[in-house]
Amino acid sequence: ETGVTQTPRHLVMGMTNKKSLKCEQHLGHNAMYWYKQSAKKPLELMFVYNFKEQTENNSVPSRFSPECPNSSHLFLHLHTLQPEDSALYLCASSQHSSNYGYTFGSGTRLTVV
Amino acid sequence: RKEVEQDPGPFNVPEGATVAFNCTYSNSASQSFFWYRQDCRKEPKLLMSVYSSGNEDGRFTAQLNRASQYISLLIRDSKLSDSATYLCVVIYNQGGKLIFGQGTELSVKP
Repeated sequence: ETGVTQTPRHLVMGMTNKKSLKCEQHLGHNAMYWYKQSAKKPLELMFVYNFKEQTENNSVPSRFSPECPNSSHLFLHLHTLQPEDSALYLCASSQHSSNYGYTFGSGTRLTVV
Repeated sequence: RKEVEQDPGPFNVPEGATVAFNCTYSNSASQSFFWYRQDCRKEPKLLMSVYSSGNEDGRFTAQLNRASQYISLLIRDSKLSDSATYLCVVIYNQGGKLIFGQGTELSVKP
């Protein structure tokens, strides 16, 4: 079990649904990330939060909406997704300004039908 | 050109074999380098950092060539449990984001 917990582990949703992915870290880190991993593609960074502030949005469509209420919790709100959004969504955390200690959660495997 | 490029896979090797993975990166200002391991349907986990002087951790040896913008990972005496996807990762600046290669799949057979 890692220090970064993601729920749910699996999610199937229709294109008109609204759902949220949750990430929680117990490591005292102050930076959190959302990554997307599609089949046969490199992990793609989606969003970066440092000290609860969004510092990077990697041209992600607005149907993905992140929320970071505090430095331990990160959400990804999903609405009107497309089948091509089906992927593994990984949350990670780290200590800001450190190149070490990135810890990933186990991910949410999302299927959009 | 991709920011981080890795050898195409999969690599299928017998137990006990030595296998080498290569990786190139495009940004000459890159500061930090890592190899991550990702098991099937699991999250990536840090395998080892890569230092300019080269470093070794048991059966694993990592090398960095800044002039050629090239990183390598050597696995000696392969075990069945080494079967996984190996991800080359680069960070451009202190505290920056991880940039991942597409990964190279390794399958070690009995």
